[in-house]
Amino acid sequence: DSGVTQTPKHLITATGQRVTLRCSPRSGDLSVYWYQQSLDQGLQFLIQYYNGEERAKGNILERFSAQQFPDLHSELNLSSLELGDSALYFCASSPRTSPGAQETQYFGPGTRLLVL
Amino acid sequence: GQQVMQIPQYQHVQEGEDFTTYCNSSTTLSNIQWYKQRPGGHPVFLIQLVKSGEVKKQKRLTFQFGEAKKNSSLHITATQTTDVGTYFCAGRGGSTLGRLYFGRGTQLTVWP
Repeated sequence: DSGVTQTPKHLITATGQRVTLRCSPRSGDLSVYWYQQSLDQGLQFLIQYYNGEERAKGNILERFSAQQFPDLHSELNLSSLELGDSALYFCASSPRTSPGAQETQYFGPGTRLLVL
Repeated sequence: GQQVMQIPQYQHVQEGEDFTTYCNSSTTLSNIQWYKQRPGGHPVFLIQLVKSGEVKKQKRLTFQFGEAKKNSSLHITATQTTDVGTYFCAGRGGSTLGRLYFGRGTQLTVWP
């Protein structure tokens, strides 16, 4: 158990819908990262937040958005869903005690999204 | 942009055989990390290499970081069925605070 929690574990929805994935980082961790893992694309970095502010953006679609709240939990919003958005979505956290700190990332169990 | 290439994508070995996966970066890395993801699980941190030419061992696993800090390898000696999973390398560039660039991973299958 990494200490990172994600809800829900599974999500089945239809094309065109909108869903929200939730992540609670490890206690004390300030950074949250979102990743998408699909069979043909591997582990794709989407976005990173640090203490409520966006720090880095990866291959995140405009239909997707995220935020980190004052209590440090984060939400990933996926809208106008397409079949190709079906994937495992992981959240990871790290302490980020100082800029440039070479810290490991602790991954949550993931949310499996199926778009029908 | 920053890229981390990892090969092979798949590897099937007989139990007891050795296994190696390789990572190469297009640019110099400040450090590289290795993660293991068991089937149905999430990536779990294994180790971090920081210094040029660094070699670290964890029981049957040997991790190396190249002299130029652009490549890395993970070698498993005498594989066991418990080694099954996907091994990812993840490199951090010098100017990218926090972000890791993951390789595609090597999926290891071990036949008993």
